[in-house]
Amino acid sequence: GAGVSQTPSNKVTEKGKYVELRCDPISGHTALYWYRQSLGQGPEFLIYFQGTGAADDSGLPNDRFFAVRPEGSVSTLKIQRTERGDSAVYLCASSRNSIPGTSNSPLHFGNGTRLTVT
Amino acid sequence: AQTVTQSQPEMSVQEAETVTLSCTYDTSENNYYLFWYKQPPSRQMILVIRQEAYKQQNATENRFSVNFQKAAKSFSLKISDSQLGDTAMYFCAFMRTNTGNQFYFGTGTSLTVIP
Repeated sequence: GAGVSQTPSNKVTEKGKYVELRCDPISGHTALYWYRQSLGQGPEFLIYFQGTGAADDSGLPNDRFFAVRPEGSVSTLKIQRTERGDSAVYLCASSRNSIPGTSNSPLHFGNGTRLTVT
Repeated sequence: AQTVTQSQPEMSVQEAETVTLSCTYDTSENNYYLFWYKQPPSRQMILVIRQEAYKQQNATENRFSVNFQKAAKSFSLKISDSQLGDTAMYFCAFMRTNTGNQFYFGTGTSLTVIP
């Protein structure tokens, strides 16, 4: 596709429910990242995949959060027992390789999923 | 730990004028990348400009340029000939080169270009 695609664009759920957020990275990009952006804040790192494996999940806030990328392309961020504090925009990004800052491997972001927990 | 500070929550500029957005960062690393991203209401983060720390020359991209002061750990963005389409949130970001995967973002500056 032309860019990183995230679905749904908006998600409203009740406290305690389970949600899944999907990310389709740019075709051929091996690295995939999830960030969370709370209101009035900059994005905060959650997890990074290189291929199918989670190379760095140090940003996941607790064990209610989990992400997978089983075939090295699409990724799903899963949140169990949602809490009101989970409300935020969840951004996905991808890059050609594992060093996203270089000129030949810039980081491309999707439009995010706005999650609202009521 | 790396921190990125943007001390200007909001700024405005007249169309066609020049504006400078401030950013400071704290790190013990010597090699790293710095970025400015633009986030319009669509929420997509768009790369504006990139600077490698080992390069002394300030990066420029058309109307956008940076003033990179490594010793002072300062990385400001200058937008010349401001256009209405420049209205957006602007985030400064830092990335270490030895791990190469985590970006650290500031809290952003909301820029409004006034017609």
